Formats: sequence, structure tokens, C-alpha cells
Amino acid sequence: EIVLTQSPGTMSLSPGERATLSCRASQSVSSSYLAWYQQKPGQAPRLLIYGASTRATGIPDRFSGSGSGTDFTLTISRLEPEDFAVYHCQQYGSSLVTFGGGTKVEIK
Amino acid sequence: EVQLVETGGGLIQPGGSLRLSCTASGFTVSSNYMSWVRQAPGKGLEWVSTIYTGGSTYYADSVKGRFTLSGDNSKNTLYLQLNSLRAEDTAVYYCARWLQSFEAFDIWGQGTMVTVSS
Repeated sequence: EIVLTQSPGTMSLSPGERATLSCRASQSVSSSYLAWYQQKPGQAPRLLIYGASTRATGIPDRFSGSGSGTDFTLTISRLEPEDFAVYHCQQYGSSLVTFGGGTKVEIK
Repeated sequence: EVQLVETGGGLIQPGGSLRLSCTASGFTVSSNYMSWVRQAPGKGLEWVSTIYTGGSTYYADSVKGRFTLSGDNSKNTLYLQLNSLRAEDTAVYYCARWLQSFEAFDIWGQGTMVTVSS
């Protein structure tokens, strides 16, 4: 089973700042099979990025994904008030899905 | 409107059973890969199970042999039967559609809470 480790666990930033979130895999992951989700308190996750770098429908272009192999990154170029949330990475392989532990982006 | 609605959660004693339902609107469950994902209080997401369009099912090791995923095409509904429940099964259970072209979950329900406690 591929283990995903997200870092940092929590990041404190101000609106307008840049956020860089990391997702590291215990084994190589196909870029096609790496996704990112946003989750706000009391809500279901929402798909942001799939295929490591493709934004889902309706996702603003301040969100971008990159990476390959074992290291993937979600970048929020300029934080808006609605972007403060928890972000999860997810990979798929051999009919199994695993998620990272999440990164909370909180208001500083 | 494309949506998923889960029902069936509640408080159950350890060792008990529960059946969760997930009804879809705006698309056909049987034509899609469908999954359950859970989230324990204050924790991250954990994939539980997936059913493929051909009927094959896959389970996380943590629930294998205790949970069963099935569907009712006539009701456009997915079911997750939870047996031999343990305290560590306490979580919000989300139903989600797996989109093969994305290799990701593109539609999620609002979740249903399962609490296993005596």
C-alpha cells in the first residue's frame, strides 16, 4: 500500500499570501493518479485537482498542482478568505485508494 | 442536478450491524464506479470500498470481511452493509463517484455519521 505523507500538518498564512502544500508518496505514483481535495468544516471534500495538475471544473486558476514520482505540490498563488480549509491528497493504484493525512491552512 | 444523498447512520453498539444507503440523482449508479470513504472525528479521509461497473468490489483491509458493498439498479442506490462494528469504525461515511477519466472522486454526498459505542 502506498502511504501519502502531507506536510506541513498546519500552516498559518494571511489572505493574499502564497501557500505551498506538499504530498510525498512512499513509492512512485503515476501522475495520472494523483488528486487534491479541499474540505471545509462540516462539508464533504471537493475535488480541486486531478492528474496531478488538471483543475476540476469551476476551480479558480489560483490553484495549481505539480509534481511527479513521489513528490507532489499544491500551490495556492494568493489566498482568498474562502481558501482557508483542509487539503487532502489522494492516489490510486492496484484498485486501492489512499489519502494523505491532510494539511490545514488557517488564517494567521 | 447531480447529487448523492446518504442515509442510515446512527448510534450502534459494538458488534452490531447497520446498513447505509446512497441514492444518486442526475446520473446512473450502475454505470459508474462508486465508493464509500469515511472520516473519523478530527482525522483524515480513509477509503473504505469501491464497486466497479462490472460488479467487482474492493475493500480496505480494515473492513474486509465485515463490510459489504452492493447496489440496487432499480432504485439507483448504493448500499454499504456494516457488520461486527467496532469503536474504530466511528466516522462520517461519505458516498462518492469515482470518475475513471479523472482517477478521482468528482461527486460526494453530504455524509452520514456512524457512532459505535456502548
